[in-house]
Amino acid sequence: SQQGEEDPQALSIQEGENATMNCSYKTSINNLQWYRQNSGRGLVHLILIRSNEREKHSGRLRVTLDTSKKSSSLLITASRAADTASYFCAPYGNKLVFGAGTILRVKS
Amino acid sequence: EAQVTQNPRYLITVTGKKLTVTCSQNMNHEYMSWYRQDPGLGLRQIYYSMNVEVTDKGDVPEGYKVSRKEKRNFPLILESPSPNQTSLYFCASTPGLGPHSPLHFGNGTRLTVT
Repeated sequence: SQQGEEDPQALSIQEGENATMNCSYKTSINNLQWYRQNSGRGLVHLILIRSNEREKHSGRLRVTLDTSKKSSSLLITASRAADTASYFCAPYGNKLVFGAGTILRVKS
Repeated sequence: EAQVTQNPRYLITVTGKKLTVTCSQNMNHEYMSWYRQDPGLGLRQIYYSMNVEVTDKGDVPEGYKVSRKEKRNFPLILESPSPNQTSLYFCASTPGLGPHSPLHFGNGTRLTVT
């Protein structure tokens, strides 16, 4: 299926450390989107990377995309307690499909 | 403020009692969609709409209805709710004709059917 699968399922780090989350998918895509969800709230769009892009930055976020391996990663640098949330990748081919997410906990 | 507004935020009901969850966006977006979120399953699409009077089934449409009579509103209707529809529901919209551009989400409706 096109569904993104995030890895790890959960991640716990100290404030100031970097957090890396990975996403794999199975079919060809037009773009891949990353979203954040704070406890039970609506998802917030973080970054979109197109299939012809390899890397994209937004503030402390860095996303990479390897279409040959059908994988993407989200790196959050210098993490803060406020980054504690669930993170979802959503590959877009002919439709947008969300994975089950990575739960990130940043301890202060 | 540009936003997607869902109501109510919390809803507890009994099996078989018809209910409607409202969704409204003030961004003049073409595309609107409903998702449900269940633990370990991520978000699954229920229905979507690419324009007024145009609606299509998503991945899990059974037991749900929608309508799009106006561009800004996209209500989700459960004609006869059942306990397996207990879930967290999200409405989302985007300016394009599909989710190839980022989705704007509402804050969710937590539904419990007893």
